[in-house]
Amino acid sequence: DQQVKQNSPSLSVQEGRISILNCDYTNSMFDYFLWYKKYPAEGPTFLISISSIKDKNEDGRFTVFLNKSAKHLSLHIVPSQPGDSAVYFCAARDSGTYKYIFGTGTRLKVLA
Amino acid sequence: EAGVAQSPRYKIIEKRQSVAFWCNPISGHATLYWYQQILGQGPKLLIQFQNNGVVDDSQLPKDRFSAERLKGVDSTLKIQPAKLEDSAVYLCASSNRPGRNNSPLHFGNGTRLTVT
Repeated sequence: DQQVKQNSPSLSVQEGRISILNCDYTNSMFDYFLWYKKYPAEGPTFLISISSIKDKNEDGRFTVFLNKSAKHLSLHIVPSQPGDSAVYFCAARDSGTYKYIFGTGTRLKVLA
Repeated sequence: EAGVAQSPRYKIIEKRQSVAFWCNPISGHATLYWYQQILGQGPKLLIQFQNNGVVDDSQLPKDRFSAERLKGVDSTLKIQPAKLEDSAVYLCASSNRPGRNNSPLHFGNGTRLTVT
């Protein structure tokens, strides 16, 4: 039962262009959504988050959009840089248990 | 602030042997999580502590895995006996106030376990 899904295992983007990573969820009890970035041999690093009461949150080059009716969120990176190449995980928090459920990740490669 | 500390970074054992992982969360973080990440998959929650009490261990294979968090600070995760399918990265994470927004999980660098 995959409650958080990232259907694209990989994505390649040219440097300077926009990267769009997508995530879908099924559980209506999720109230807080996060994106993590992971480099090889390191733990996931928190990137940006959004509460379920908002539809957009922006932090520098990173913007997260939430569409509650579609149970869909996306991460936009503009402009993409080679250092953004990593695996990105979407996560969602259950409002009742405070469990954080992770997606399977999308490997982003930004080409110089 | 210092991050989440985990040790060892790597461990290779034979099946049926036992192994233990250690985690020291960020100071003051009451909530601690252990995740298992198998290659190509996302982190899967094994157990969640609030201070030294277990909040959720529904995904922990209790016939072989155990975890404790004495005094509500450090935590250890043990596997005994290990199976081949336990090969994974074991990640520890902590949070200050998991019920609040702007209070994300912070992860350590993990322990990569290889069972041969």
